[in-house]
This record gives sequence, C-alpha cells and structure tokens, in this order.
Amino acid sequence: GAGVSQSPSNKVTEKGKDVELRCDPISGHTALYWYRQRLGQGLEFLIYFQGNSAPDKSGLPSDRFSAERTGESVSTLTIQRTQQEDSAVYLCASSPSWKTQYFGPGTRLLVL
Amino acid sequence: DQQVKQNSPSLSVQEGRISILNCDYTNSMFDYFLWYKKYPAEGPTFLISISSIKDKNEDGRFTVFLNKSAKHLSLHIVPSQPGDSAVYFCAASVAGAGSYQLTFGKGTKLSVIP
Repeated sequence: GAGVSQSPSNKVTEKGKDVELRCDPISGHTALYWYRQRLGQGLEFLIYFQGNSAPDKSGLPSDRFSAERTGESVSTLTIQRTQQEDSAVYLCASSPSWKTQYFGPGTRLLVL
Repeated sequence: DQQVKQNSPSLSVQEGRISILNCDYTNSMFDYFLWYKKYPAEGPTFLISISSIKDKNEDGRFTVFLNKSAKHLSLHIVPSQPGDSAVYFCAASVAGAGSYQLTFGKGTKLSVIP
C-alpha cells in the first residue's frame, strides 16, 4: 500500500521567506507527527496531531512554526520568515496506534 | 540534555559477523523503545521494538535487548549483510503520555564490509 508521502522533496529558499511543507499520511492512520533532523543530529519532535483533539505543539521551536491538519488527512507545516538555522530535513510520520510510527521520505529545506 | 544517547557514531563489521549497536537513555519514564534504519535520502524505516516489560525481542536476524536497570538497550544483527549498511537510530517513548512522541538518538552509521 501507499506509504507516507511528502512534498516537495527539496526546497531552497531565501532567508526571510515563508515555506509550506506538505504531508500525506497513510490512509486510516489517526496520528500524525512532524519531526526535523538537522545535520549530524537525531530527529527532533515538532508537533503531533491525533484525530480531532488539540495538537501537541510542545516541540515547535518558535512562533514562526505552525502546522495544520484537516481531520485525518493531509497536514501542512509552515515556517514563516525562515532563518538559516531552519535548514534541516523535515520528516512526517503517521501511526495507526501509539506504538509504531511510519515515516515519509522527508523534505530537505535549505535556507540561504 | 540528550535523553537518548548513541555513543558510537559509526561501526564497521565484516559480512556474516554480528553487529551490535548500543543505546543508553536517561529518562526512567521511557517504557517503549524502537530501532529505525535509515538509508540516505529516505525516511527512517521501522525495524524492531521492545516494551519495558520485556528484556528481549527477536525478529529474524534482528534482536533487541533491554536492560532497564542499566537504562541500556542494544540491537544485534546476525549475520550482518551488506544491505544492512545504513544509519540506525534508537528511539524511546512514554506510553500513556499523550502524544507518544519519539525521542531519538543521533544515530550510528553501520558499514558491513563484504
């Protein structure tokens, strides 16, 4: 079956511009997560959606970061006024339960 | 404060031998542990997991061992194959804590030499 898909696969932007990243989870998965991986680091949790519950935003690094999800479908992660330290691979994962998360291929963001 | 630590950035093993990847954690609330494998330009792929009520879980060539008293887990791959060459991430979560977010180590790059 189809896995988690993300778009774009790569994004180069200039400092100060806004970017929007998209995630299509596996159909039927109620939970959706965003993580980022900066160079040489492990994955950092950003935000979690579960059904219609209020999202867990505890991992968002600043108010320039926001995310939305419509029901149990697509999610978008928006970074406003991008900074060079935002350069990273942004990974989306979905899960049918609390146990295992299935990751997409990621969006590689480079802020010049 | 890094709660999940993989102290070996890289590991090289001969094909057919055992690969042992180690992971330490500091948060005693963690009760579910996972290993992910990651190839370049791909997202992490789930490999194997273990609940804190167990000390061993086996799946084919992969076995995960958990030592709760030492806050240590390890992944054994036997026999190692060239296709196992990848970055391996250890991850942990607190079941029942709401979001079940995963806390990851920085990864260990495994190279299996033919």
